[in-house]
Amino acid sequence: DGGITQSPKYLFRKEGQNVTLSCEQNLNHDAMYWYRQDPGQGLRLIYYSQIVNDFQKGDIAEGYSVSREKKESFPLTVTSAQKNPTAFYLCASSITGTENQPQHFGDGTRLSIL
Amino acid sequence: GENVEQHPSTLSVQEGDSAVIKCTYSDSASNYFPWYKQELGKGPQLIIDIRSNVGEKKDQRIAVTLNKTAKHFSLHITETQPEDSAVYFCAASIVGGGNKLTFGTGTQLKVEL
Repeated sequence: DGGITQSPKYLFRKEGQNVTLSCEQNLNHDAMYWYRQDPGQGLRLIYYSQIVNDFQKGDIAEGYSVSREKKESFPLTVTSAQKNPTAFYLCASSITGTENQPQHFGDGTRLSIL
Repeated sequence: GENVEQHPSTLSVQEGDSAVIKCTYSDSASNYFPWYKQELGKGPQLIIDIRSNVGEKKDQRIAVTLNKTAKHFSLHITETQPEDSAVYFCAASIVGGGNKLTFGTGTQLKVEL
């Protein structure tokens, strides 16, 4: 089946550790996105990539890093600099990064601090 | 930047009734407005979207209306069913914004038997 796969579904991190969330898509989409979701808030954009080897900061990029070395993969690293990392993280993709393209989401990774 | 407000935050209806969720946006340059449905523990699923050159769009029991002058858009669900129970999010995208979406804060819809 074509879609977006996020792994793992649940992730636990100790204080001071970096952790990487995986996002893979087999939709042949050019653009990929990372959002953070907190209770009672909408989704907030962390980083996005319109094409391989290129990415831009979203609204809340501090404490996060990404890479886009392959079209199908867009991993997100939550660094120790992110002071409040506990959240539900969602990855999305769209055919292109141009305007008005529907974004399709994976089923998320829930990150918790031990 | 763009700001999207969504109301109500919770909505309870009887099965078979209609449900309406409203969103307002701040930037008149916004031109794309999708709606997502999110079930517990899942990612959001696109259910309908509308572009600024259209005032209304319908897909079976779901419709979206857009009022560009007032800068608001609404989701209408008719003949609600228990499986419609979920959190619904509206979003907006600005012209020249590179397909970045700004989301509302969500509406928890509960359809009661």
